[in-house]
Amino acid sequence: AQTVTQSQPEMSVQEAETVTLSCTYDTSESDYYLFWYKQPPSRQMILVIRQEAYKQQNATENRFSVNFQKAAKSFSLKISDSQLGDAAMYFCALLDSNYQLIWGAGTKLIIKP
Amino acid sequence: NAGVTQTPKFRVLKTGQSMTLLCAQDMNHEYMYWYRQDPGMGLRLIHYSVGEGTTAKGEVPDGYNVSRLKKQNFLLGLESAAPSQTSVYFCASDTGGYEQYFGPGTRLTVT
Repeated sequence: AQTVTQSQPEMSVQEAETVTLSCTYDTSESDYYLFWYKQPPSRQMILVIRQEAYKQQNATENRFSVNFQKAAKSFSLKISDSQLGDAAMYFCALLDSNYQLIWGAGTKLIIKP
Repeated sequence: NAGVTQTPKFRVLKTGQSMTLLCAQDMNHEYMYWYRQDPGMGLRLIHYSVGEGTTAKGEVPDGYNVSRLKKQNFLLGLESAAPSQTSVYFCASDTGGYEQYFGPGTRLTVT
């Protein structure tokens, strides 16, 4: 069975500093996709970043970047220059071959002003 | 372009009552999904559809039924609500593998 594990229920960071959220996963497939989604208090689920497993280059989107370690099955999210608007639940997810997303339990990110 | 919409946004049911949640998308997506989100957990897939007229079971399908009579609509039904079905329900759609677009969610309480 495929699983996604987020071992940090909560993280906090000072505004303008950098924080890294951890995610590990397990899959027997060689080709898959990984995602980080953000869920602010509004409840709306927003895609932050996407990584194709066949690509060695780590995905980046402005202040958000990932460290994708395929052999270690690790997919961490780095947020640089943290802003108050980054405060949210962050979910790591794995897309399986049936196009179904397997979700982690989430990490609550708190930004300290 | 409204994206993915869900109706209603909130609902309170008594145990044993039935209801239908409506999801609509205007992006011409083939794939649609229903998830539930419980406190402290990630989303869990209830049912999904890979095209008009098709449905399939996800991780937690018991107690729910779905229908996809039109490409743009995906209905989730609870025939006999139970307190264990108290949750936030999300609908999503996509073209298959790139990005799932989510609705705003429906908070359902079963007393």
